[in-house]
Amino acid sequence: EPEVTQTPSHQVTQMGQEVILRCVPISNHLYFYWYRQILGQKVEFLVSFYNNEISEKSEIFDDQFSVERPDGSNFTLKIRSTKLEDSAMYFCASTPGQFQPQHFGDGTRLSIL
Amino acid sequence: DAKTTQPTSMDCAEGRAANLPCNHSTISGNEYVYWYRQIHSQGPQYIIHGLKNNETNEMASLIITEDRKSSTLILPHATLRDTAVYYCIGAGGTSYGKLTFGQGTILTVHP
Repeated sequence: EPEVTQTPSHQVTQMGQEVILRCVPISNHLYFYWYRQILGQKVEFLVSFYNNEISEKSEIFDDQFSVERPDGSNFTLKIRSTKLEDSAMYFCASTPGQFQPQHFGDGTRLSIL
Repeated sequence: DAKTTQPTSMDCAEGRAANLPCNHSTISGNEYVYWYRQIHSQGPQYIIHGLKNNETNEMASLIITEDRKSSTLILPHATLRDTAVYYCIGAGGTSYGKLTFGQGTILTVHP
């Protein structure tokens, strides 16, 4: 069964550095999402992306965050200047239609030192 | 998105049915009820969803009350591998599929 893959599984970065988290959604899916989960807390929506543009974003998704689909297969989340509070698991998800089930990757654990 | 209320935790004996309730009294007419689960810190896993009819798939059954204010997820024969956090989410309508996760129900399946 096709799955969403995320790389790297664990990323350690110094505070203030830029980081790019990568995702390969399922190939025929059209809607893409990023969520994050701070340790011990609930999963939080960050952004949705459709037709090569952001369709919805949360208050968390400020100017430090950006998303891109640089080619037909990758979907990336960039954090420009990381802060300690950005430490979390980041999950990518995709779906063929906005009301269809979302398929999640296994996440990237981001640790900011 | 609809606000949902779930018990914090539940226990179930292995081999027995696990019935997980969810209240979603503010759900709007065009919002679906989705159930996901999360095992340890893995990515959430889709289980089942429905609009107003009861649904069944290879993993579970979903019973939605006629007024759509509550639903029950049924795992017919729980196994130890079903131990996870289960999330009930109301989503759809005018959003682009955004899922709003609550704290969920921690289901522990005992031998």
